Amino acid sequence: EADIYQTPRYLVIGTGKKITLECSQTMGHDKMYWYQQDPGMELHLIHYSYGVNSTEKGDLSSESTVSRIRTEHFPLTLESARPSHTSQYLCASSGQGSSSGANVLTFGAGSRLTVL
Amino acid sequence: QKEVEQNSGPLSVPEGAIASLNCTYSDRGSQSFFWYRQYSGKSPELIMFIYSNGDKEDGRFTAQLNKASQYVSLLIRDSQPSDSATYLCAVKDSNYKLTFGKGTLLTVNP
Repeated sequence: EADIYQTPRYLVIGTGKKITLECSQTMGHDKMYWYQQDPGMELHLIHYSYGVNSTEKGDLSSESTVSRIRTEHFPLTLESARPSHTSQYLCASSGQGSSSGANVLTFGAGSRLTVL
Repeated sequence: QKEVEQNSGPLSVPEGAIASLNCTYSDRGSQSFFWYRQYSGKSPELIMFIYSNGDKEDGRFTAQLNKASQYVSLLIRDSQPSDSATYLCAVKDSNYKLTFGKGTLLTVNP
């Protein structure tokens, strides 16, 4: 079954550690996105990619970085985590839409990061 | 800056009633409009999308779009307690980026 997977689902780490949040999709989608969402707050786009070797920063400034070496894989890395990075990180992908061409986003289950 | 505005709620309706959720957007170049449902602690899931002026119906859900007024709404008929969630309005621009509103918390009371 085509889907989008995020690991780890939950992560608690200390300040200064390097972390990578993994995101993989099996739908062959060309576009992938990372959103950040604090509890009860709106989603903010932090990174997106329209294909292999293509990455762009989103609307919300983030100290994280991303890479897109393979179509199905879009990992997010924090070189030195801080308490201000504590949040939920949601990965999403989209490809050729339905006959409407709406390009619907499909979300992963999310990675909840807590930095102590 | 592109903005998507929603009443944060909470919106409370009795079971069986019609719930009406509203959204306005600032970018006239927006092309497609989406409604997502997000249960607490879960990821957003798509309810429906609309890109042409008028109404679009899918089961108990109807999306309405008025591009001249920059307004999109979602009606939920025969509301059920399982519909209790936060409803997110999202607007797609010509660069395939989605901007989300803050969401409206809906509570359906049995």
